[in-house]
Amino acid sequence: SYELTQPPSVSVSPGQTASITCSGDKLEDKYACWYQQKPGQSPVLVIYRDNKRPSGIPERFSGSNSGYTATLTISGTQAMDEADYYCQAWESSTAVVFGGGTKLTVL
Amino acid sequence: QVTLKESGPVLVKPTETLTLTCTVSGFSLSNARMGVSWIRQPPGKALEWLAHIFSNDEKSYSTSLKSRLTISKDTSKSQVVLTMTNIDPVDTATYYCARAKELSSGWPPDAFDVWGQGTMVTVSS
Repeated sequence: SYELTQPPSVSVSPGQTASITCSGDKLEDKYACWYQQKPGQSPVLVIYRDNKRPSGIPERFSGSNSGYTATLTISGTQAMDEADYYCQAWESSTAVVFGGGTKLTVL
Repeated sequence: QVTLKESGPVLVKPTETLTLTCTVSGFSLSNARMGVSWIRQPPGKALEWLAHIFSNDEKSYSTSLKSRLTISKDTSKSQVVLTMTNIDPVDTATYYCARAKELSSGWPPDAFDVWGQGTMVTVSS
């Protein structure tokens, strides 16, 4: 079955750039999207179709997808960005696949 | 305003059947190009996709749980229902429903742009 692999944790200093990766077989052939989830809250879509931001999502969130890796980049990371981040793709045989999640710590 | 709201039992006994309802508002399930998924999250763990129902009533299920799941919709009630049979304590989780628009290109659907608040289900005797 198709799998998406994320690092369990990423740390970043306030104001710096955080990069969270998501790896999967020929991922560039699919659309990758990203969700932010803060404790006790439902996930929120922050990037869709590899690099598009929904309305209301700050410009510091961006995405890319090339080869086997999709990347979520947060520029000028703020304390409020500390959360769990999940990548997701639609795959023809298994339909929906989520990555295992990455805990972003801003310290 | 588009909203989805999950409802169902808080506590379920092992071996029972769990029935969860997702009531949507702000969009119609009978309109083309709107699908709904069920996704769960055990305490402290990652999101796990369970099932999806497309606008044309096609269904898709998690390979590992397919034998236990049934997803359906009642467009007149604006509801999507998930049943899970033979419940086990490992099924303890927060269960979410989420909407995915279907693109004009057909496949794949778009991302889950709206999520419900989730409903916590505990499986225990």
